[in-house]
Amino acid sequence: EAEVAQSPRYKITEKSQAVAFWCDPISGHATLYWYRQILGQGPELLVQFQDESVVDDSQLPKDRFSAERLKGVDSTLKIQPAELGDSAMYLCASSLGTGTGEQYFGPGTRLTVT
Amino acid sequence: GENVEQHPSTLSVQEGDSAVIKCTYSDSASNYFPWYKQELGKRPQLIIDIRSNVGEKKDQRIAVTLNKTAKHFSLHITETQPEDSAVYFCAAPPNGGSTLGRLYFGRGTQLTVWP
Repeated sequence: EAEVAQSPRYKITEKSQAVAFWCDPISGHATLYWYRQILGQGPELLVQFQDESVVDDSQLPKDRFSAERLKGVDSTLKIQPAELGDSAMYLCASSLGTGTGEQYFGPGTRLTVT
Repeated sequence: GENVEQHPSTLSVQEGDSAVIKCTYSDSASNYFPWYKQELGKRPQLIIDIRSNVGEKKDQRIAVTLNKTAKHFSLHITETQPEDSAVYFCAAPPNGGSTLGRLYFGRGTQLTVWP
């Protein structure tokens, strides 16, 4: 069964450093989501792509976060500079098309900023 | 999420008992309500969902009920087993059923099933 892939699984970085996460969605899934999940809370959407286009980045802290999906397949989320408050699980999810429907999550990247 | 409230935050039951988790939403036009299960250290996975044109949906031991008038939906797990222990998240679309697929998630319910 196809799954969403993410790397790295764990990342420790010092504050003010740059960090990047990678996501490879299920083949053929046009919609890709990046979520942040703080311990003890539900996932919070950061950015949503439809193919290569950003359709919702209203919750993305654009002064330090950036995301791209250049060819409409895999995606990278970057934080520069990282802050202590960025420590969280970063989840990628994909879905087949637009509109409501099942989102398939990746295993996540656990980020710790020291 | 700003328009989804989930209760309780923790729930402990004895194996074989039933568990009920409730979520409320704010926008009466919302039309899709999924439930995700996240086991410790694993990714969230969809376990059941319901659309606003039906009031109840069942899949073996799990069911979801929707009360559109009261704007709440509930997850029901019967004959609970230790492997049901996990965090359960409800979700709903913002702003009247977004066509973009965006979801707001509740804060989660830690369910513990004691053998």
